[in-house]
Amino acid sequence: QVQLQESGPGLVKPSQTLSLTCTVSGGSISSGIYYWSWIRQPAGKGLEWIGRIYNRGSTNYNPSLKSRVTISVDMSKNQFSLKLSSVTAADTAVYFCATNIVGTTTRFDYWGQGTLVTVAS
Amino acid sequence: DIQMTQSPSSLSASVGDRVTITCRASQSISSYLNWYQQKPGKAPKLLIYAASSLQSGVPSRFSGSGSGTDFTLTISSLQPEDFATYYCQQSYSTPSITFGQGTRLEIK
Repeated sequence: QVQLQESGPGLVKPSQTLSLTCTVSGGSISSGIYYWSWIRQPAGKGLEWIGRIYNRGSTNYNPSLKSRVTISVDMSKNQFSLKLSSVTAADTAVYFCATNIVGTTTRFDYWGQGTLVTVAS
Repeated sequence: DIQMTQSPSSLSASVGDRVTITCRASQSISSYLNWYQQKPGKAPKLLIYAASSLQSGVPSRFSGSGSGTDFTLTISSLQPEDFATYYCQQSYSTPSITFGQGTRLEIK
């Protein structure tokens, strides 16, 4: 069973770049079996899909965030990462990494526990 | 973007009640609809996929139905552990998937 764990700074200053890493265990990130996604949730609000990476580096992004988002993969560490540039207070949220199986409808079977990122000076 | 609208936004019910939550899509999404349960401080948990298929390990008191634009999640007999927030999610426009705003289920 795949397990996911987010890590990264909990506080980021406005206009800077938010950087998070998701470490994968119980499955190989290079297997081609899974899509690897980032999803966020502002406090007390709903879920927003940020983007995903698959097939050794192909990416898809939410159009509303596309200009600021980069998702990448480090196969040697079995990790994938999120970078969100030019952050504002509106980017304060719990960030989850999640995965779904290639060849099925997009449903998120496995999730990390989430990590809170606060944007403040 | 396909907009997903859930109703009600919040709901009070008692243990043993039958509860129905509705999700409406802004356009037809066939059966590309999933349901999640989220408890405070936890990640969402997949309950139902493809509108009506029960995820492995999920109790049979949960069921889903619908197609096109209108979907429902039904809990046949509420248990104490079912009090949580529920989200629908469409995958019709993959990879640009969207979630509903959530329905908070509270104890009456």
